[in-house]
Amino acid sequence: SYELTQPPSVSVSPGQTARITCSGDALPKKYAYWFQQKSGQAPVLVIYEDSKRPSGIPERFSGSSSGTMATLTISGAQVEDEGDYYCYSTDSSGNHWVFGGGTKLTVL
Amino acid sequence: EVQLVESGGGLVQPGGSLRLSCAASGFTFSSYYMSWVRQAPGKGLEWVANIKQDGSEKYYVDSLKGRFTISRDNAKNSLYLQMNSLRTEDTAVYYCARGRAAIDYWGQGTLVTVSS
Repeated sequence: SYELTQPPSVSVSPGQTARITCSGDALPKKYAYWFQQKSGQAPVLVIYEDSKRPSGIPERFSGSSSGTMATLTISGAQVEDEGDYYCYSTDSSGNHWVFGGGTKLTVL
Repeated sequence: EVQLVESGGGLVQPGGSLRLSCAASGFTFSSYYMSWVRQAPGKGLEWVANIKQDGSEKYYVDSLKGRFTISRDNAKNSLYLQMNSLRTEDTAVYYCARGRAAIDYWGQGTLVTVSS
């Protein structure tokens, strides 16, 4: 079955740039989506279609994709950005969706 | 205001069945793909299934092997997940979610515990 691979953890100091990667064989042809999940809460969409930002999401969140890797970038990370981040995409058929394993972002 | 409210979770023995429901409000339910996503305790998110607006297409994670069935009733603005032959590894919070790709609204989740 299709898999998306993320690093288990990323740590940055406040104000630094955090980059979280997601690799998958179908990403050259399929969009990546990114969700933020804070402890005990439902996920929140922060990036859709590789690089688009939903309304209400701060401008410091951006996304990009090149080849088999998608990247979520948080420019000037804040303490409140701590949480788990998941990439999400579909296999080559477009019918079966999958989340990456998640990346725990620590900002301190 | 968009709201998704799940119900039907609880404790069930291995091999048992449960039916989860999701009541939707605040949007035109029949215009959206809907999805179920689950999260085992302390683990990551797992896509479970989704269903097209009119119910004509349904897709599932391969690992379920036909044990779960997603359905919807657009007249009742409701989404369902029938879960059969439950296993301990199905223990998770189950989220109802609006959309297939850019999932923009989630319910609060309902906990399903499979244990003897």
